Amino acid sequence: DAGVIQSPRHEVTEMGQEVTLRCKPISGHNSLFWYRQTMMRGLELLIYFNNNVPIDDSGMPEDRFSAKMPNASFSTLKIQPSEPRDSAVYFCASSRRTSGDTGELFFGEGSRLTVL
Amino acid sequence: AQSVTQLDSHVSVSEGTPVLLRCNYSSSYSPSLFWYVQHPNKGLQLLLKYTSAATLVKGINGFEAEFKKSETSFHLTKPSAHMSDAAEYFCVVSDRFGSGYALNFGKGTSLLVTP
Repeated sequence: DAGVIQSPRHEVTEMGQEVTLRCKPISGHNSLFWYRQTMMRGLELLIYFNNNVPIDDSGMPEDRFSAKMPNASFSTLKIQPSEPRDSAVYFCASSRRTSGDTGELFFGEGSRLTVL
Repeated sequence: AQSVTQLDSHVSVSEGTPVLLRCNYSSSYSPSLFWYVQHPNKGLQLLLKYTSAATLVKGINGFEAEFKKSETSFHLTKPSAHMSDAAEYFCVVSDRFGSGYALNFGKGTSLLVTP
Protein backbone atom coordinates (compact mmCIF):
# COMPACT_ATOMS: atom_id res chain seq x y z
CA ASP A 1 0.00 0.00 0.00
CA ALA A 2 1.30 3.46 -0.88
CA GLY A 3 0.25 5.06 2.39
CA VAL A 4 -1.29 8.50 2.72
CA ILE A 5 -0.07 10.71 -0.08
CA GLN A 6 0.13 14.47 0.29
CA SER A 7 1.04 17.11 -2.23
CA PRO A 8 2.84 19.38 -2.54
CA ARG A 9 5.57 18.46 -0.04
CA HIS A 10 6.78 22.03 0.04
CA GLU A 11 5.05 25.24 -0.97
CA VAL A 12 6.36 28.78 -0.78
CA THR A 13 3.91 31.50 -1.65
CA GLU A 14 3.28 35.17 -1.10
CA MET A 15 0.74 36.65 1.25
CA GLY A 16 -2.66 36.93 -0.35
CA GLN A 17 -2.23 34.00 -2.70
CA GLU A 18 -4.50 30.97 -2.69
CA VAL A 19 -2.99 27.71 -1.46
CA THR A 20 -4.43 24.25 -2.10
CA LEU A 21 -3.09 21.20 -0.29
CA ARG A 22 -4.07 17.75 -1.46
CA CYS A 23 -4.42 14.39 0.21
CA LYS A 24 -5.06 10.86 -0.99
CA PRO A 25 -5.98 8.61 1.95
CA ILE A 26 -5.26 4.91 2.15
CA SER A 27 -7.73 2.90 0.13
CA GLY A 28 -10.49 1.45 2.32
CA HIS A 29 -10.11 4.00 5.09
CA ASN A 30 -13.32 5.82 6.02
CA SER A 31 -11.99 8.67 8.18
CA LEU A 32 -9.73 11.54 7.15
CA PHE A 33 -8.13 14.20 9.30
CA TRP A 34 -6.30 17.44 8.59
CA TYR A 35 -3.80 18.59 11.24
CA ARG A 36 -1.54 21.62 11.41
CA GLN A 37 1.82 21.54 13.21
CA THR A 38 3.74 24.60 14.41
CA MET A 39 6.43 25.09 17.01
CA MET A 40 4.19 27.37 19.05
CA ARG A 41 0.99 25.34 19.05
CA GLY A 42 2.10 21.79 18.34
CA LEU A 43 -0.35 19.56 16.47
CA GLU A 44 -3.84 21.00 16.04
CA LEU A 45 -6.80 19.16 14.54
CA LEU A 46 -8.33 21.34 11.84
CA ILE A 47 -11.13 19.17 10.49
CA TYR A 48 -12.26 15.56 10.49
CA PHE A 49 -14.29 13.68 7.86
CA ASN A 50 -16.09 10.38 8.31
CA ASN A 51 -17.37 8.69 5.14
CA ASN A 52 -16.60 11.91 3.23
CA VAL A 53 -18.79 14.01 5.51
CA PRO A 54 -17.25 16.72 7.69
CA ILE A 55 -17.91 15.74 11.31
CA ASP A 56 -16.19 18.59 13.12
CA ASP A 57 -14.51 21.67 11.69
CA SER A 58 -14.25 23.67 14.89
CA GLY A 59 -10.47 23.63 14.58
CA MET A 60 -10.48 25.50 11.27
CA PRO A 61 -8.92 28.85 12.17
CA GLU A 62 -11.21 31.14 10.22
CA ASP A 63 -13.18 31.54 7.03
CA ARG A 64 -10.02 31.72 4.97
CA PHE A 65 -9.67 27.97 5.49
CA SER A 66 -11.90 25.44 3.77
CA ALA A 67 -11.71 21.68 3.28
CA LYS A 68 -13.52 19.33 0.97
CA MET A 69 -13.72 15.62 0.46
CA PRO A 70 -15.55 15.03 -2.83
CA ASN A 71 -14.95 11.27 -2.74
CA ALA A 72 -13.35 8.59 -0.59
CA SER A 73 -9.98 8.91 -2.27
CA PHE A 74 -9.33 12.64 -2.28
CA SER A 75 -9.43 15.66 -0.01
CA THR A 76 -8.26 19.25 -0.29
CA LEU A 77 -7.45 21.95 2.22
CA LYS A 78 -7.60 25.45 0.79
CA ILE A 79 -6.39 28.71 2.26
CA GLN A 80 -7.58 31.88 0.54
CA PRO A 81 -6.09 34.40 1.03
CA SER A 82 -2.99 33.07 2.72
CA GLU A 83 -1.16 34.98 5.48
CA PRO A 84 2.33 34.59 6.97
CA ARG A 85 0.85 33.16 10.20
CA ASP A 86 -0.47 30.22 8.16
CA SER A 87 3.10 28.98 7.72
CA ALA A 88 3.20 25.47 9.17
CA VAL A 89 3.38 21.81 8.28
CA TYR A 90 -0.04 20.47 7.35
CA PHE A 91 -0.62 16.76 7.87
CA CYS A 92 -3.32 14.58 6.44
CA ALA A 93 -4.13 11.30 8.18
CA SER A 94 -6.59 8.52 7.53
CA SER A 95 -7.99 5.60 9.47
CA ARG A 96 -10.45 2.73 9.19
CA ARG A 97 -12.83 3.55 11.97
CA THR A 98 -15.12 0.91 13.37
CA SER A 99 -17.89 1.45 15.86
CA GLY A 100 -16.47 2.60 19.19
CA ASP A 101 -12.87 2.73 18.02
CA THR A 102 -10.97 5.47 16.23
CA GLY A 103 -8.58 3.02 14.63
CA GLU A 104 -4.91 3.75 14.13
CA LEU A 105 -4.17 6.99 12.30
CA PHE A 106 -1.83 6.74 9.32
CA PHE A 107 -0.12 10.02 8.53
CA GLY A 108 1.21 11.42 5.33
CA GLU A 109 4.63 13.05 5.28
CA GLY A 110 3.13 16.52 5.44
CA SER A 111 3.02 19.65 3.32
CA ARG A 112 5.37 22.37 4.53
CA LEU A 113 3.82 25.75 3.75
CA THR A 114 5.74 29.01 3.90
CA VAL A 115 3.84 32.24 3.32
CA LEU A 116 6.08 35.25 2.75
CA ALA B 1 -12.94 17.37 25.75
CA GLN B 2 -10.35 14.85 26.72
CA SER B 3 -6.75 16.00 26.88
CA VAL B 4 -3.22 14.85 27.64
CA THR B 5 -0.32 16.60 29.31
CA GLN B 6 3.22 15.59 28.48
CA LEU B 7 5.23 16.55 31.51
CA ASP B 8 8.60 17.05 29.81
CA SER B 9 9.21 18.98 26.61
CA HIS B 10 12.76 17.59 26.32
CA VAL B 11 14.37 14.41 27.65
CA SER B 12 18.01 13.50 27.20
CA VAL B 13 19.40 10.01 27.84
CA SER B 14 22.61 8.18 27.09
CA GLU B 15 22.58 5.32 24.63
CA GLY B 16 21.88 2.05 26.45
CA THR B 17 20.10 3.66 29.41
CA PRO B 18 16.35 3.50 30.14
CA VAL B 19 13.86 5.89 28.61
CA LEU B 20 10.86 7.35 30.47
CA LEU B 21 8.50 9.79 28.76
CA ARG B 22 5.68 10.94 30.98
CA CYS B 23 2.06 11.54 30.07
CA ASN B 24 -1.02 12.31 32.14
CA TYR B 25 -4.52 12.37 30.74
CA SER B 26 -7.86 13.84 31.71
CA SER B 27 -10.96 11.92 30.78
CA SER B 28 -14.58 11.68 31.79
CA TYR B 29 -14.81 8.08 30.62
CA SER B 30 -12.49 5.21 29.72
CA PRO B 31 -10.16 6.67 27.16
CA SER B 32 -8.24 5.21 24.27
CA LEU B 33 -4.62 6.31 24.55
CA PHE B 34 -1.81 6.22 22.05
CA TRP B 35 1.86 7.06 21.65
CA TYR B 36 3.08 8.29 18.28
CA VAL B 37 6.65 9.00 17.17
CA GLN B 38 7.79 11.57 14.64
CA HIS B 39 11.27 11.49 13.16
CA PRO B 40 12.63 14.70 11.63
CA ASN B 41 10.80 15.82 8.48
CA LYS B 42 8.54 12.79 8.60
CA GLY B 43 4.92 12.05 9.38
CA LEU B 44 3.82 10.44 12.63
CA GLN B 45 3.91 6.71 13.23
CA LEU B 46 1.96 4.73 15.82
CA LEU B 47 4.15 3.20 18.56
CA LEU B 48 1.41 1.61 20.65
CA LYS B 49 -2.23 1.88 21.63
CA TYR B 50 -4.32 1.22 24.74
CA THR B 51 -8.04 0.50 24.35
CA SER B 52 -9.17 -1.01 27.71
CA ALA B 53 -7.59 -4.41 27.28
CA ALA B 54 -4.31 -5.22 29.09
CA THR B 55 -2.99 -2.24 31.04
CA LEU B 56 0.60 -2.92 29.96
CA VAL B 57 0.85 -2.32 26.26
CA LYS B 58 3.81 -3.38 24.15
CA GLY B 59 4.65 -1.47 21.02
CA ILE B 60 7.20 -1.41 18.24
CA ASN B 61 10.95 -0.97 18.69
CA GLY B 62 10.93 -2.22 22.28
CA PHE B 63 8.69 0.51 23.69
CA GLU B 64 5.91 -0.15 26.14
CA ALA B 65 3.45 1.89 28.18
CA GLU B 66 1.37 1.20 31.26
CA PHE B 67 -2.13 2.55 31.75
CA LYS B 68 -2.66 3.53 35.40
CA LYS B 69 -6.18 4.72 36.02
CA SER B 70 -5.53 5.68 39.65
CA GLU B 71 -2.76 8.02 38.54
CA THR B 72 -4.36 9.01 35.21
CA SER B 73 -1.02 8.27 33.60
CA PHE B 74 0.22 6.52 30.47
CA HIS B 75 4.00 6.78 30.61
CA LEU B 76 6.17 5.44 27.78
CA THR B 77 9.25 3.40 28.63
CA LYS B 78 12.05 1.50 26.96
CA PRO B 79 14.74 -0.46 28.84
CA SER B 80 17.66 0.61 26.67
CA ALA B 81 17.79 3.64 24.39
CA HIS B 82 19.19 3.42 20.88
CA MET B 83 20.51 6.32 18.84
CA SER B 84 17.69 5.77 16.34
CA ASP B 85 15.13 6.49 19.09
CA ALA B 86 15.95 10.21 18.92
CA ALA B 87 12.68 11.79 17.76
CA GLU B 88 9.59 13.65 18.92
CA TYR B 89 7.06 11.58 20.87
CA PHE B 90 3.39 12.41 21.22
CA CYS B 91 0.93 11.13 23.79
CA VAL B 92 -2.58 11.10 22.33
CA VAL B 93 -6.10 10.61 23.64
CA SER B 94 -9.18 9.71 21.67
CA ASP B 95 -11.93 12.29 21.90
CA ARG B 96 -15.54 12.00 20.88
CA PHE B 97 -17.19 14.46 18.50
CA GLY B 98 -20.88 13.68 18.34
CA SER B 99 -21.02 10.45 16.44
CA GLY B 100 -17.38 10.62 15.45
CA TYR B 101 -13.96 10.44 17.02
CA ALA B 102 -10.71 12.31 16.64
CA LEU B 103 -7.37 12.24 18.37
CA ASN B 104 -6.08 15.05 20.61
CA PHE B 105 -2.30 15.29 20.71
CA GLY B 106 -0.07 16.39 23.55
CA LYS B 107 2.59 19.05 22.95
CA GLY B 108 5.25 16.43 22.39
CA THR B 109 8.48 15.36 24.10
CA SER B 110 11.72 15.64 22.21
CA LEU B 111 14.00 12.69 23.02
CA LEU B 112 17.72 13.20 22.60
CA VAL B 113 20.00 10.16 22.77
CA THR B 114 23.68 10.83 23.35
CA PRO B 115 26.51 8.38 22.62
